[in-house]
Amino acid sequence: SQQGEEDPQALSIQEGENATMNCSYKTSINNLQWYRQNSGRGLVHLILIRSNEREKHSGRLRVTLDTSKKSSSLLITASRAADTASYFCATVRTGANNLFFGTGTRLTVIP
Amino acid sequence: KAGVTQTPRYLIKTRGQQVTLSCSPISGHRSVSWYQQTPGQGLQFLFEYFSETQRNKGNFPGRFSGRQFSNSRSEMNVSTLELGDSALYLCASSLRPNLDEQYFGPGTRLTVT
Repeated sequence: SQQGEEDPQALSIQEGENATMNCSYKTSINNLQWYRQNSGRGLVHLILIRSNEREKHSGRLRVTLDTSKKSSSLLITASRAADTASYFCATVRTGANNLFFGTGTRLTVIP
Repeated sequence: KAGVTQTPRYLIKTRGQQVTLSCSPISGHRSVSWYQQTPGQGLQFLFEYFSETQRNKGNFPGRFSGRQFSNSRSEMNVSTLELGDSALYLCASSLRPNLDEQYFGPGTRLTVT
């Protein structure tokens, strides 16, 4: 079963706008990762945030983590049409050895 | 450096048959994990191999099995195929089983009719 839920399930924005996706999970974690998937293909690792970190940046990506609320958010700034994809959060549970993926958010960026 | 490769990319099988999927990790990577992705269940972990040993297994029936060879290449096998096995099967590799970052292949799309 999946570890977490993401919302919204789908998001449609104009090019240049910011996109925010949220992820909630259920158990204590070691780290949380975000992946992107283009149209039924392989996943690409975007960013990792450890349980003792609260915020992390990578290029146009900003990730926050609130372990007290068991939630994370991914912000993509100045979106581009090429950002159109599905975005998944994945957690590494404390004591576990595999990734547990969320349900994903389908982002569409309109040129 | 070449990425993770999976073969075949597409496969159509009939119920009751068996299938073998192959994954070649990035050169130097010794950990390989397999995931199943379906519209209904999303991405689910199947198993993980490191140095030819299965370290971890997800909640799948015994019809799903795998192995890893000395060159780190991995195969997964599904026997007695069911319609519900239709899915995208993704393989991921990493240097070590530390789960900091996994590199995914393009997947094998299996359709069971």
